[in-house]
Amino acid sequence: AQSVTQLGSHVSVSEGALVLLRCNYSSSVPPYLFWYVQYPNQGLQLLLKYTSAATLVKGINGFEAEFKKSETSFHLTKPSAHMSDAAEYFCAVSLYNFNKFYFGSGTKLNVKP
Amino acid sequence: DTGVSQNPRHKITKRGQNVTFRCDPISEHNRLYWYRQTLGQGPEFLTYFQNEAQLEKSRLLSDRFSAERPKGSFSTLEIQRTEQGDSAMYLCASRSGQQETQYFGPGTRLLVL
Repeated sequence: AQSVTQLGSHVSVSEGALVLLRCNYSSSVPPYLFWYVQYPNQGLQLLLKYTSAATLVKGINGFEAEFKKSETSFHLTKPSAHMSDAAEYFCAVSLYNFNKFYFGSGTKLNVKP
Repeated sequence: DTGVSQNPRHKITKRGQNVTFRCDPISEHNRLYWYRQTLGQGPEFLTYFQNEAQLEKSRLLSDRFSAERPKGSFSTLEIQRTEQGDSAMYLCASRSGQQETQYFGPGTRLLVL
């Protein structure tokens, strides 16, 4: 069975500070992992994805994530937060056929000026 | 390049009424997905289509829910005899067979009074 746990439903950082959003997954088969961002009253936008190539994945808007099999983690980071990064972030795991995504419950990022 | 579109964006209905939502996927995408997102949660898979064939349905999709994709293009999701527990954001996503990424629409927010 596949599942995702996102630690911390709310994270608050100061502008310019490091952003770290945590995601741990459970999967009975090699996972494919995704991070999406959702702005208020909008759909989900893909930030980045891991599909068994490089374990360090770079995405849009300066975000990156590292797949660590030994820790079953796929944490999302950004060196310096911007006010525009304030949104809700979802981690998702998929099977090989990419037909069913299992999402975590999300982490709301607040960026303080 | 137009993205996934959903109509209506918002729907308020009274308990017991039927509602129908429409999703128009990205034109070359043959796979289409429906998810439900309740407040404070990540999206939950409901069903998916490959062309016009509905290939999987979640147990979340009760008998009151039906989805169609009659010509392999747009899709409709109908909820009969709505209940207050149906209040949620209904998200549609699509992808092509050659891609791993599901692209999401802006969602339809349903409120059942």
